[in-house]
Amino acid sequence: DVKVTQSSRYLVKRTGEKVFLECVQDMDHENMFWYRQDPGLGLRLIYFSYDVKMKEKGDIPEGYSVSREKKERFSLILESASTNQTSMYLCASSFYGELFFGEGSRLTVL
Amino acid sequence: ELKVEQNPLFLSMQEGKNYTIYCNYSTTSDRLYWYRQDPGKSLESLFVLLSNGAVKQEGRLMASLDTKARLSTLHITAAVHDLSATYFCAVDLEYGNKLVFGAGTILRVKS
Repeated sequence: DVKVTQSSRYLVKRTGEKVFLECVQDMDHENMFWYRQDPGLGLRLIYFSYDVKMKEKGDIPEGYSVSREKKERFSLILESASTNQTSMYLCASSFYGELFFGEGSRLTVL
Repeated sequence: ELKVEQNPLFLSMQEGKNYTIYCNYSTTSDRLYWYRQDPGKSLESLFVLLSNGAVKQEGRLMASLDTKARLSTLHITAAVHDLSATYFCAVDLEYGNKLVFGAGTILRVKS
């Protein structure tokens, strides 16, 4: 079974703090993604990566950056968290287009 | 800009009934996915539809794709409580590199 592991299920941070969300997949997939999920808006793509050290902006990259130093690991970084970044963050890896999701990281920014 | 619209957004149905969830999208694509999400959980892949006319079935769920109409349907037959979840469709724009999700349909099956 594909396993996509997100390091933190629940985080509470203060405005202005730097936040790291880590994601690791164990299936040697090339592509990895970070989505944000908000009620009524579905999932929106923040960034994706199709190879080590490669990244592409998704639909809502503002306020976020990413890092992919190793194939299995894709990190999402909030340089200075803001309250409007309170959300559920989902990491995924893909194989021929089919996405496999992690359990999600629910971030609250106070 | 691609728009993916699901309807209904909320569906409350009785056990044993049939119903269909619709997913309309605004640009050409012949790849579409359906996902299920249980409360507090992540998304689980249900169906991968890769061509016009594709039909997939698993248990009480059947998904189809009409690329000419830019429409996919998820049909529920004889609903049971265990099907209560949120269902998302996602349209693939770049062979897996860019999926655009619908807002999701919250399904509640009442005993």
